[in-house]
Amino acid sequence: EIVLTQSPATLSLSPGERATLSCRASQSVSSYLAWYQQKSGQAPRLLIYDASSRATGIPARFSGSGSGTDFTLTISSLEPEDFAVYYCQQRSNWPPLTFGGGTKVEIK
Amino acid sequence: EVQLVESGGGLVQPGGSLRLSCAASGFTFSSYEMNWVRQAPGKGLEWVSYISSSGSTIYYADSVKGRFTISRDNAKNSLYLQMNSLRAEDTAVYYCARDRGTINYYYYGMDVWGQGTTVTVSS
Repeated sequence: EIVLTQSPATLSLSPGERATLSCRASQSVSSYLAWYQQKSGQAPRLLIYDASSRATGIPARFSGSGSGTDFTLTISSLEPEDFAVYYCQQRSNWPPLTFGGGTKVEIK
Repeated sequence: EVQLVESGGGLVQPGGSLRLSCAASGFTFSSYEMNWVRQAPGKGLEWVSYISSSGSTIYYADSVKGRFTISRDNAKNSLYLQMNSLRAEDTAVYYCARDRGTINYYYYGMDVWGQGTTVTVSS
């Protein structure tokens, strides 16, 4: 089973600041990685697919990078609506599909 | 509007059963792979089960294998999860999610999610 480790667990930032979230895989997942945003009480929303492609309707301030075992989600300038929990997920060597443990981006 | 709507959650005793449903609308359901994903209270996301567009390929997480059964009825645009021998640790919000799968070496992710249905296993 591929384990995805996200860091940090919590990121405390102010609106306008840059957020850098990490996702590390226990073995290579090539580019078969997605990122999701989940706000409190809501379902997850797809942000990034195939490691670096933005999903439909996702603002350009969200970007994904990486391949193999190391991936990054960057939010270039945090908007108030961006404070949420972010998950990475892989579909390379599966089943099982696996998710990372999540990074909470909170207001400083 | 592309939409998934789950139903069937509730309170059940340990050892009991529930059947979750997910009604799809606004897209050609029979063309898409589907997943069930759950989230225990205060915890992260956990994949539960997958079914291919035709229903011919099915996978389960080890934590539910032998107890849960995924199925779909493409004529009714519906996805199901039959849950038997329920345990306290199955308590969670259960989401159905459309998976666009891997096409030409691109993984397109789970792009449509329902609002979730809550399953509580307790005596």
